[in-house]
Parts: sequence; structure tokens; C-alpha cells
Amino acid sequence: ILNVEQSPQSLHVQEGDSTNFTCSFPSSNFYALHWYRWETAKSPEALFVMTLNGDEKKKGRISATLNTKEGYSYLYIKGSQPEDSATYLCAPGGSNYKLTFGKGTLLTVNP
Amino acid sequence: NAGVTQTPKFQVLKTGQSMTLQCAQDMNHNSMYWYRQDPGMGLRLIYYSASEGTTDKGEVPNGYNVSRLNKREFSLRLESAAPSQTSVYFCASNREEAFFGQGTRLTVV
Repeated sequence: ILNVEQSPQSLHVQEGDSTNFTCSFPSSNFYALHWYRWETAKSPEALFVMTLNGDEKKKGRISATLNTKEGYSYLYIKGSQPEDSATYLCAPGGSNYKLTFGKGTLLTVNP
Repeated sequence: NAGVTQTPKFQVLKTGQSMTLQCAQDMNHNSMYWYRQDPGMGLRLIYYSASEGTTDKGEVPNGYNVSRLNKREFSLRLESAAPSQTSVYFCASNREEAFFGQGTRLTVV
């Protein structure tokens, strides 16, 4: 079983705050690292798929970095908005195509 | 373009009954997955299929069977449902990013 740890488990921030959370994963047999956004009562939606050490990706106010050697990725949200409230999931994908998710970070942005 | 289609959306079963959850994708993806969502547990992988004709166990396979009928379809079967299988089930497929179905809310009484 692939140990994927996400921290913190939950986070409350005020509108306009910037925030970040962490995904830790075993660095061996690394293939790709996925980030998803999951709103309540909906299905998860992909944010980023990252494969290269040092990779940095950005989509609007959300960005992510990847360190495959030490086995972690950070997700950053700049200027949080209430609509950013969701659970953010990460999933390292191995070369065997197995996609295993962490338990997620539940973000609540208060207006 | 429908993406990933899952049926049914809701189901109530009695303990011991059997049922099959259907999943189909129209994106020509090789890899398909079945997950269950339980409070505080995130998404747990039940089974996955890296390509047509292959299936492998995930984290929580006990009580389930799967069939990769063809490249498009990946079904999940509960042979004898138990209350512990009450959950929301998601099917997904990917080449790079994964696409998810709408989920099936299953209650076993």
C-alpha cells in the first residue's frame, strides 16, 4: 500500500488569505503526482498532473510544486475565495498505473 | 462527449443481495478505477485495471469483484452485500489526469 500523507487534515482561512498544504509520498517508484479539487456532492476534478522533479504548475490563483527526491508536493492558493472551499486530494501514480489518494485537506474559506 | 458514466446513481440493497455497478468511458483511456468514499477516509481504491484484460486489487478489495469487459467498460460487483459496504462509489478513468463518474450512493440495510 502506498503511504500518502496530506496535511493539514483541515484548514479554515479568511477570504483573501493565502494558504498552502502538503502531500507526502514515497519517493521510490515515482511516476506522477496528481492534485484534485473535490467539492461537496460533486466528483473530484483534476487540477494538476506533475511528473518532473522541480516542476511547478499554475492555474489561476492555484499553483503546485513537486520534489520527487524527497517525496513531497505543495499546493498553494493565493488570495483564497469562498468558492475555493473544497477538499484537495493528492495521488501519486506509480508506474503500474495504480492511482492511490491521500485523505485530503478540507479547506474552508470564510467570507 | 459524456466522459465517465456510472449507473445507478442511487441503490438500496438488503444484506445478502447482489448487484453490479456499471461504468463506461468514451475517452479511449486504458486505465480505469473503482473507489469508495467513506467519511474521514477519503477515496479508497477497491480495484483498478491498467488495460483491457487486466485487473488488480487496490486497498480494499474484499467483498468485491470486477470485470473489464472491454476498453470502455469496467464493472464492480457485490456478490453478497453487507452493511459495511454502504458507501459512495466512484468510477474513474485516466491517461494522465483522471476523470470521475458522478458517483453511486449505495445503502445496504
